[in-house]
Amino acid sequence: DAGITQSPRYKITETGRQVTLMCHQTWSHSYMFWYRQDLGHGLRLIYYSAAADITDKGEVPDGYVVSRSKTENFPLTLESATRSQTSVYFCASAGSDGAFFGQGTRLTVV
Amino acid sequence: SQQGEEDPQALSIQEGENATMNCSYKTSINNLQWYRQNSGRGLVHLILIRSNEREKHSGRLRVTLDTSKKSSSLLITASRAADTASYFCAYGYSGTYKYIFGTGTRLKVLA
Repeated sequence: DAGITQSPRYKITETGRQVTLMCHQTWSHSYMFWYRQDLGHGLRLIYYSAAADITDKGEVPDGYVVSRSKTENFPLTLESATRSQTSVYFCASAGSDGAFFGQGTRLTVV
Repeated sequence: SQQGEEDPQALSIQEGENATMNCSYKTSINNLQWYRQNSGRGLVHLILIRSNEREKHSGRLRVTLDTSKKSSSLLITASRAADTASYFCAYGYSGTYKYIFGTGTRLKVLA
């Protein structure tokens, strides 16, 4: 199916563990994004990528790592999860017709 | 902060009334988009307006863009209870597709 998919949809992890959130898109959009959404803050850009092997920091990049070895995939890794990273994470891809979002990953760090 | 601002933060109206939400941003843009998000769900793309457009319609939605004032508005006409959601604007920086979101407007439509 065409679109953008995130996995997992829900994740509980412990403080200090590494966790990777996956994002896959089928539109061949060059741009991909990771946002986090927290009450009172709306959506904030963590990292984005303009093309394979090109990534850049957004508004809140600390504690996160991204890679983009293939155009269709844009994984987000929390190297050592902290409770402040409990949030809902949205991946998006964008072309000239706009930016489109995955269903989100609800991450809880305990 | 790069984040755009929306107002009002919250809006409560009766079914059948019109709802207007405003978005302001801080830089030159390629385009501006509006999204709807129902509670606990993903973001649904509603409409995109390009920087050289001033007004765009889609069904009961009307979007305007004033690049001189760096602002946009979303009008929902004849609102329905199903329109109850949060609405966000997102603008793309000129020359890129890097999108920054506004803070959102929570709309409640009372039946």
